[in-house]
Amino acid sequence: QVQLVQSGDEVKKPGASVKVSCKASGYIFTSYGISWVRQAPGQGLEWMGWINAYNGNTNYAQELQGRVTMTTDTSTSTAYMDLRSLRSDDTALYYCARVNYDILTGYCKYPDYWGQGTLVTVSS
Amino acid sequence: AIRMTQSPSSFSASTGDRVTITCRASQGVSSYLAWYQQKPGKAPKLLIYAASTLQSGVPSRFSGSGSGTDFTLTISCLQSEDFATYYCQQYYSYPLTFGGGTKVEIK
Repeated sequence: QVQLVQSGDEVKKPGASVKVSCKASGYIFTSYGISWVRQAPGQGLEWMGWINAYNGNTNYAQELQGRVTMTTDTSTSTAYMDLRSLRSDDTALYYCARVNYDILTGYCKYPDYWGQGTLVTVSS
Repeated sequence: AIRMTQSPSSFSASTGDRVTITCRASQGVSSYLAWYQQKPGKAPKLLIYAASTLQSGVPSRFSGSGSGTDFTLTISCLQSEDFATYYCQQYYSYPLTFGGGTKVEIK
């Protein structure tokens, strides 16, 4: 069965960086992409971007451009999300999710399977 | 960015009720619309994609309709396990955007 297992919760100081991992199993990793979505405490869902696990192409939310990097390691079927220059408003539950993409256009579609979430707390 | 607006933001209902949640896009998204259910402390669960296609394993009491800018999620006979928050999401254009959520509470 499809599973996405994320790394453990993190506490970081403002200005620091965090790297969250997402290990996939139960499907062919390079046939899909990985999207990252975050949820601030008590708030809704915010799409951060995605990476095509086949060719490494990425698309990031504009407000995170320059601070976020998404990568994959196909040898271990693991995706990573690196967020730099952390601020207090980056405090959130971070989810990875498997996504289909359009073969012809390369466009990301909807997430279908989700990880359990990683809480990142940014506090001085 | 395309703005997704859900209504209502919350409401109370009873087991057995038929409930409808609305999602409106600020511009047309064709049928590139998904619905998710989220329970407290859990990751979202995909219910419907392509506006009306039921994800495998999702009960048939859930249904979706609409295209363009106006969409609905209907639960035909609310069950106790359906009390949760529901989100719509467009995947027509980047950035992908979610609605603000609709919380369905027990009356």
